[in-house]
Amino acid sequence: NAGVTQTPKFQVLKTGQSMTLQCAQDMNHEYMSWYRQDPGMGLRLIHYSVGAGITDQGEVPNGYNVSRSTTEDFPLRLLSAAPSQTSVYFCASSYGSLAYNEQFFGPGTRLTVL
Amino acid sequence: AQSVAQPEDQVNVAEGNPLTVKCTYSVSGNPYLFWYVQYPNRGLQFLLKYITGDNLVKGSYGFEAEFNKSQTSFHLKKPSALVSDSALYFCAVRDSNRDDKIIFGKGTRLHILP
Repeated sequence: NAGVTQTPKFQVLKTGQSMTLQCAQDMNHEYMSWYRQDPGMGLRLIHYSVGAGITDQGEVPNGYNVSRSTTEDFPLRLLSAAPSQTSVYFCASSYGSLAYNEQFFGPGTRLTVL
Repeated sequence: AQSVAQPEDQVNVAEGNPLTVKCTYSVSGNPYLFWYVQYPNRGLQFLLKYITGDNLVKGSYGFEAEFNKSQTSFHLKKPSALVSDSALYFCAVRDSNRDDKIIFGKGTRLHILP
């Protein structure tokens, strides 16, 4: 099993550009989440999904869109990048509710917005 | 408000000594608690969790955590530290307002000195 994979590993964008961060998991997990990690702030939930076709907002959803057309994939779209979105982004999956079950994290995408 | 606090930004411990990484929480209802570890340039890895049962929870890599309801704490411990334990450690708690997600602390960087 590859677990949770994320692409790209690094990305530099200019303000106003758009892009999609890819996330895939091969564990048949229903729950998937996107977090951003900023120094001294821990991880903050951006969006999450409890199954194909179902998504919901987390703590910091503004400026990001998600969709979940398959169980395996959960892409994160930046609509118009801003310097405040410079961060490390992690995708995670879980076989059940995040409240009770461990999450499996991808290796992360380091995004810089100039 | 639901919250989790890690009062120490950094903890230094000599190799072979016992280590403790502190975590306190504030939630309504029963607390479901987690510890994750992040090695440099990697995603988070699950260490252990407390849902119910014994107050002493054993996890991966020789770590354990003690749940203390009266002190609202869930400190991570290991009897004898290894240099390879040096990493960033996150405590997390179920958000009882949003049963399907958890709140992460800001993280504690653990340095094990050879």
